[in-house]
Amino acid sequence: AQKVTQAQTEISVVEKEDVTLDCVYETRDTTYYLFWYKQPPSGELVFLIRRNSFDEQNEISGRYSWNFQKSTSSFNFTITASQVVDSAVYFCALNLHGGATNKLIFGTGTLLAVQP
Amino acid sequence: DAGVIQSPRHEVTEMGQEVTLRCKPISGHNSLFWYRQTMMRGLELLIYFNNNVPIDDSGMPEDRFSAKMPNASFSTLKIQPSEPRDSAVYFCASSLVENTEAFFGQGTRLTVV
Repeated sequence: AQKVTQAQTEISVVEKEDVTLDCVYETRDTTYYLFWYKQPPSGELVFLIRRNSFDEQNEISGRYSWNFQKSTSSFNFTITASQVVDSAVYFCALNLHGGATNKLIFGTGTLLAVQP
Repeated sequence: DAGVIQSPRHEVTEMGQEVTLRCKPISGHNSLFWYRQTMMRGLELLIYFNNNVPIDDSGMPEDRFSAKMPNASFSTLKIQPSEPRDSAVYFCASSLVENTEAFFGQGTRLTVV
């Protein structure tokens, strides 16, 4: 079975703190894709990153970084020096390669509140 | 690029009425998805089209729900008759090809009273 677990329901930090959002996935497939999406209070879903299962290099984009570890089936997301504008619900998602379906399996999301 | 466009943004309807949600995907994208978001069930895929053909509709909750994609630039999700438990935010998303990132519209917030 394919599953994405985001154990942290809510996280509250003070501005400028670093914060890591955890994501653990389950799949028996060897080829798959992992994603992070951001849902700000306005409600839209914003794509942040896509990773394939063969690329375990960590990625950094400004204050955002992602740590993909196949050994622990984790794809964690770190925000450095958090800002109030980072307040949102963050979703991790899994997509399998090939097959008859192309569905994104979402985790339940982590609500991040950054206090000024 | 205008992004995925959904209409209406908000819909309030009475139980038993027909509701039609509309979506215009990003031009050139081959895959289109309808998702529903509720507090209880989170984000769940209802149906997905590839090149205008429905590929997987296993997430459609029941026969009251139907979706069409008559051409590459338009899709509808219809609920008939609507029920209060259908109240949710419905998202449409599109992607260039399979397994690439999906871009979401702003969603339609449906309230059935």
